[in-house]
Amino acid sequence: AQSVAQPEDQVNVAEGNPLTVKCTYSVSGNPYLFWYVQYPNRGLQFLLKYITGDNLVKGSYGFEAEFNKSQTSFHLKKPSALVSDSALYFCAVSHSGYSTLTFGKGTMLLVSP
Amino acid sequence: NAGVTQTPKFQVLKTGQSMTLQCAQDMNHNSMYWYRQDPGMGLRLIYYSASEGTTDKGEVPNGYNVSRLNKREFSLRLESAAPSQTSVYFCASSDKGARDNQPQHFGDGTRLSIL
Repeated sequence: AQSVAQPEDQVNVAEGNPLTVKCTYSVSGNPYLFWYVQYPNRGLQFLLKYITGDNLVKGSYGFEAEFNKSQTSFHLKKPSALVSDSALYFCAVSHSGYSTLTFGKGTMLLVSP
Repeated sequence: NAGVTQTPKFQVLKTGQSMTLQCAQDMNHNSMYWYRQDPGMGLRLIYYSASEGTTDKGEVPNGYNVSRLNKREFSLRLESAAPSQTSVYFCASSDKGARDNQPQHFGDGTRLSIL
């Protein structure tokens, strides 16, 4: 079985400040982890994925994610938030023995000017 | 680049009507997926097709059927629509399945209301 949790329904941050969107996971074996972003009335867009051995993964639009095996977390980060980063963010997990992704419930990121 | 194309974008049905949601991808991907998105529930997998000629149930398959028509196309059918099926439906594709650590590419969704 596999599961993923996004503990915050919403994250508020001021433009220019760093942001973190949290994700924890549970899988058997080595995890495959992804972050997606969804803008209003659009489908999900792939941001980044975990690469085995890289604790800090860089992705699109200046986002990065920090993998922590002991805490089973894969938090999304950005050093300086933009208003245009406001969107719904999804974490997803799978592993080598599973053919589908399991998505978290999503976290709404609101960046204020 | 079209990517994943879903039709229609919007639809209103009456309870008991049937409908087929269409999905096509032009990336030569092997795997295709249907999800539904409901407020506060994230994305839930309805059905998927790991390769042409195969389909499998996901987390919430009841009330739906699928057809992998060819490598490009994967349709979702509601035989007798119910208000509980009011949702936004997303189709996605990937080169390989999730077990190969490949990202999925999504269409822009079909917004379906059942009255």
